[in-house]
Formats: sequence, structure tokens, C-alpha cells
Amino acid sequence: DIVMTQTPLSLSVAIGQSASISCKSSQSLKYSDGKTYLNWVFQSPGQSPKRLIYQVSKLDSGVPDRFSGTGSETDFTLKISRVEAEDLGVYYCCQGSYSPLTFGSGTKLEIK
Amino acid sequence: EVQLVESGGGLVKPGSSLKLSCVASGFTFSSYGMHWIRQAPKKGLEWIALIYYDSSNKYYADSVKGRFTISRDNSKNTLYLEMNSLRSEDTAMYYCAKHSPGGFDYWGQGVMVTVSS
Repeated sequence: DIVMTQTPLSLSVAIGQSASISCKSSQSLKYSDGKTYLNWVFQSPGQSPKRLIYQVSKLDSGVPDRFSGTGSETDFTLKISRVEAEDLGVYYCCQGSYSPLTFGSGTKLEIK
Repeated sequence: EVQLVESGGGLVKPGSSLKLSCVASGFTFSSYGMHWIRQAPKKGLEWIALIYYDSSNKYYADSVKGRFTISRDNSKNTLYLEMNSLRSEDTAMYYCAKHSPGGFDYWGQGVMVTVSS
């Protein structure tokens, strides 16, 4: 199975500042169709998860452009510019290039 | 608006069985694969099963293979997860999710399953 390693495990950020989360996969996520199926999923406290970004950098509908995803092959980054209070929660990377789909262990974002 | 509503959870004893349901609306259910994903208390997310849109293929995580069965009834817009030989480590919130290439785009609100004597 592909192992997804996220860092840091937790992050404390002041409102208005930026946050960055790293995700590394144990092998390249570039699929045979040329696409890279790396997703970012957000779970606010007490809520179900919600996808934010798919295929490395494509934002889901309704996701603010303060969120951005970059990366390729095995190294990926989620960046949140101008953090807002509603951004607190846990962020997971998730690979969908190979079965079984696997998740990172999560990064907890706290507001300072 | 896509909606996924799970039900059927509860408290059961080790070794027993339980069947979860997920009713879908807001999209053409019969055209999409569907997943079950679970989250143990205070833990991360674990994908456990996928079923193709027409039930032609089913895939399972090793942790549930042989004990859990995913199925669907397209006439009822409903996804199921039949869970047998339940263990304490199966205690988790169970989510259904709609398939999207490379993952899942919509999740339900989840249903809690607790396995304890």
C-alpha cells in the first residue's frame, strides 16, 4: 500500500497568517493516464470530511481561493493564505492513484 | 444538491452483525461508484470498500475482507455495508462517499458503530 506522510502533525496559526502542510507519498502518484490523483480533505470539529482539492491543485466548487495545492510525483503541499477562524480542523491528504486509497495521518490546524 | 444519509449504526457485541445503509439523492446514483470509509474515535480516515456503479466490481481493504460486504440497490438509490464477525477494532464512524476519479467528492454525515461487550 502507498504510505502518505504528512507534516507537521499540528500547526498553530494566527488569523490572517498563512499555513503550509506537506504530504509525501511512498511512491509516485502519477497514474498511467498522466494524471496525479492527490486530494486534500478537510474535517472541521464534529463534522464529516469534505474534499477541498483534487488532482493536486484543482479547487472544489465553493472552496475559497485562499487554498492552493501544489506538487508532483511524491511531494505535495497545501497552502492556506490568510487563515480564517473557519479553517480550524484537520487536513488530510489522500491518494487515489492506486488501490487501496490511502490517507495521511492528518494535520490539525489550530488558531493562535 | 448531493446528499448522502447513512443509517443503521449502533452498539453491538463482538462477533455480531450489522447492516449499514446510505441513501443518496441529488445525482444519478446508478451512474457512480460508491465507497465506505471509516474513522475510529480520535483517529484518521481508513478507506474500506468500493463498489462500481453497476455492482460489477467490488474492492475491500484487507482489514475487512471476508467479513464485510458492500452492495447497492440502484432502484432505491441505496448503498449498503453488511458487517459480520464484528470486532472491537471495527468501532468507528462509518461514512459513505460518492466516487470521483481518483477519490471521492461527496461524503455523508456518518453513522457510528460501537462494538463492545
